[in-house]
Amino acid sequence: AQSVTQPDIHITVSEGASLELRCNYSYGATPYLFWYVQSPGQGLQLLLKYFSGDTLVQGIKGFEAEFKRSQSSFNLRKPSVHWSDAAEYFCAVGPSGGTSYGKLTFGQGTILTVHP
Amino acid sequence: NAGVTQTPKFRVLKTGQSMTLLCAQDMNHEYMYWYRQDPGMGLRLIHYSVGEGTTAKGEVPDGYNVSRLKKQNFLLGLESAAPSQTSVYFCASSFSMVGGYNEQFFGPGTRLTVL
Repeated sequence: AQSVTQPDIHITVSEGASLELRCNYSYGATPYLFWYVQSPGQGLQLLLKYFSGDTLVQGIKGFEAEFKRSQSSFNLRKPSVHWSDAAEYFCAVGPSGGTSYGKLTFGQGTILTVHP
Repeated sequence: NAGVTQTPKFRVLKTGQSMTLLCAQDMNHEYMYWYRQDPGMGLRLIHYSVGEGTTAKGEVPDGYNVSRLKKQNFLLGLESAAPSQTSVYFCASSFSMVGGYNEQFFGPGTRLTVL
């Protein structure tokens, strides 16, 4: 079974600083990979996804993520953080083979705090 | 379009009481999901449905039942609530895709406390 690890429970950055949120997955083949964001009191919103092809994927709100097969990682990055980026971020994986019915396995989440 | 809506937004139960959470989507999605979110554990899949009249167990199904009588609605039931079921519950839906994934759209969540 696949699993996802987000090593950082809480990250604090200053507004305007760069950001990298880590995600490591465990799966026998190349999975489908996702990053979701959850603002306080809200549901989750998809930031970006990786299925195949170019390993650097662009998402909404200026986020990007890079798939590194050798490291089993899919880290999320943003060059300059805005105060409105404060939220909880979830990495998720889904199996690439067979009939998955869209089921996802989520990481534990990383809470991002942005200081002015 | 309202997207995915959940009713109620908040609920407090006593141990042993029952309740039903309602999820509705107006996007004509085939797939629907119920998750629970607990601090430090991310989201865990409780049950899911791939179409009207069909349901299946997810990662943490014990203590919950579901029904999908209409395509747009997915109900989550707690027959005898326990304090361990205190959590935030999210419903999600997506289009079907054979051998792939479509984006899941999430509702705003229901915060349930069991005393």
